[in-house]
Amino acid sequence: DIQMTQSPSSLSASVGDRVTITCRASQGISNSLAWYQQKPGKAPKFLLYGASSLKSGVPSRFSGSVSGTDYTLTISSLQPEDFATFYCQQYYSMPYTFGQGTKLEIK
Amino acid sequence: EVQLLESGGGLVQPGGSLRLSCAASGFSFSTYAMTWVRQAPGKGLEWVSEINSSGGSTYYADSVKGRFTISRDNSKNTLYLQMNSLRAEDTALYYCAKVLHGGDAFDIWGQGTMVTVSS
Repeated sequence: DIQMTQSPSSLSASVGDRVTITCRASQGISNSLAWYQQKPGKAPKFLLYGASSLKSGVPSRFSGSVSGTDYTLTISSLQPEDFATFYCQQYYSMPYTFGQGTKLEIK
Repeated sequence: EVQLLESGGGLVQPGGSLRLSCAASGFSFSTYAMTWVRQAPGKGLEWVSEINSSGGSTYYADSVKGRFTISRDNSKNTLYLQMNSLRAEDTALYYCAKVLHGGDAFDIWGQGTMVTVSS
């Protein structure tokens, strides 16, 4: 199985900050990587796929990038509604696997 | 509006069975693969199973293989998960999700249905 190691597990930041979250795949996944945002008591919300393609309607302050087997989600300027838990997911091969999650909290 | 609505969760004893349903609306259900993802209380997301658009191909996580069966009825726009031989570690919120065309990201999620396995 492909392991997705997500870091950091938690992060405190302020409105307006730029933040990055990283997922490292245990092997190559050919950019088959999605990012989700989950708020407490809610279902996950799909943000990006193909490592860097933004879902229609997702604010442009969210972006994704890749370097080797490291996949990064960047939020360029945090807004109050962005505080949540974020998960990466590889869909290169089954079983599909998620990162452990990054809880983004208000500083 | 694209919508997924799960039902069928509840409290069941270890070794028991449950069937979850996921009613889809607002999109052409029969043309999309569908999946189930679960989340144990306070934990992360775990992919459980996927079925292709026709229902002819199914896939499972090792943790549920041989115990769970995914199926769909395209005439009723409904996805199912039959869960047998349930264990305490199957306790979770179960989400159904629509699979994105061209890659198995999950673009639409239901609100989830809770399954609790306990005596």
